[in-house]
Amino acid sequence: AIQMTQSPSSLSASVGDRVTITCRASQGIRNDLGWYQQKPGKAPKLLIYAASSLQSGVPSRFSGSGSGTDFTLTISSLQPEDFATYYCLQDYNYPWAFGQGTKVEIK
Amino acid sequence: QVQLVQSGAEVKKPGASVKVSCKASGYTFTSYDINWVRQATGQGLEWMGWMNPNSGNTGYAQKFQGRVTMTRNTSISTAYMELSSLRSEDTAVYYCARDQRIWGQGTLVTVSS
Repeated sequence: AIQMTQSPSSLSASVGDRVTITCRASQGIRNDLGWYQQKPGKAPKLLIYAASSLQSGVPSRFSGSGSGTDFTLTISSLQPEDFATYYCLQDYNYPWAFGQGTKVEIK
Repeated sequence: QVQLVQSGAEVKKPGASVKVSCKASGYTFTSYDINWVRQATGQGLEWMGWMNPNSGNTGYAQKFQGRVTMTRNTSISTAYMELSSLRSEDTAVYYCARDQRIWGQGTLVTVSS
């Protein structure tokens, strides 16, 4: 089974900071990776699909990159509403695998 | 539009079973697998298994083998996930998902005596 290693598990940042979160797959998954944002008590919200495609309605400060085994989610300028937990998901094959999550907190 | 709509919240006693439904619309139900994912409070996302609505074939995460059953009714474009022998640790929000982009809204299952 493919394992997704997400880092960091948490980070503290200030409004306006550039934030980068990474996911590494234990084997190649082409670009079959999504990034989700989750706020307490809410369902995960898709930000990026197919590694680098911005979901409709998502602000352009979010971007994704990578292919194969190494992937990155970047928030170019952190906004107050971006403080949340972020997850990656590989749906290249079964079993699907999620990263462990990255909690983005206010510094 | 393409969407998955799940059944409402459930409260069950330990040892009971729960069956959650997921109704698809806006696309051909039999053309895409349906997956089930759960999230306990304060925990990460956990994949439970998949079902092919066309063939009925399934694949389950090892953790749930023997306790989970995924089925479908193609005449009403609905998938089901049944989890048996419930325990308190099964208290979670359960999601159906077609792929990265299409998820249901989630169903809270509470297991409590």
